[in-house]
Amino acid sequence: QVQLVQSGAEVKRPGASVKVSCKASGYTFTSYDISWVRQAPGQGLEWMGWMIPNNGNTGYAQKFQGRVTLTRDTSISTAYMELSSLRSDDTAVYYCARGWNILDYWGQGTLVTVSS
Amino acid sequence: QSALTQPASVSGSPGQSITISCTGTSSDVGGYNYVSWYQQHPGKAPKIMIFEVSNRPSGVSNRFSGSKSGNTASLTISGLQAEDEADYYCCSHTSSNTRVFGTGTKVTVL
Repeated sequence: QVQLVQSGAEVKRPGASVKVSCKASGYTFTSYDISWVRQAPGQGLEWMGWMIPNNGNTGYAQKFQGRVTLTRDTSISTAYMELSSLRSDDTAVYYCARGWNILDYWGQGTLVTVSS
Repeated sequence: QSALTQPASVSGSPGQSITISCTGTSSDVGGYNYVSWYQQHPGKAPKIMIFEVSNRPSGVSNRFSGSKSGNTASLTISGLQAEDEADYYCCSHTSSNTRVFGTGTKVTVL
């Protein structure tokens, strides 16, 4: 069965970077895009960007341009989201999801807490 | 890119029908038939309910339906059930080749 398993919770200082992983199984990793979405506590969903695992092409929401980097390692079917220059308002649950137009499978979410 | 506009809350009694609106612009909702809807229960990851305006993934109840008129998309839940109580988000393709979510709607079953 299709699964996306994300790395564990992180606590970071303001100004630091965080890298969240998303390991895919149950399907051919390079056949589907991976999107990243975040949700601050008590808030709505926010689309961050997407990546085509087959060729590494990416697209980012304007809000995160220059601060987020999406990469992948096809040998281990894993996608990564790195967010830099963290601020307190980056505290959120970060989700990876399979797809671009249709986000049909989601990871369990990774809580990133930014606090001094 | 501003979030699409949804009502903060919608409620209905069991068995009734409710409709959630999602208003954008001609650069997103109005310009493309790539509107999807997600259901999210507390503490859980979102689940896709509708894609490409009105298509249901397999396994999603036919009580859920979607439509679009101009810059506004809508999700209708008919025969409301207790299990439908959740947050709902629309999502649209944009002219910048990105995606944007709606502000979210809390559905309460009275």
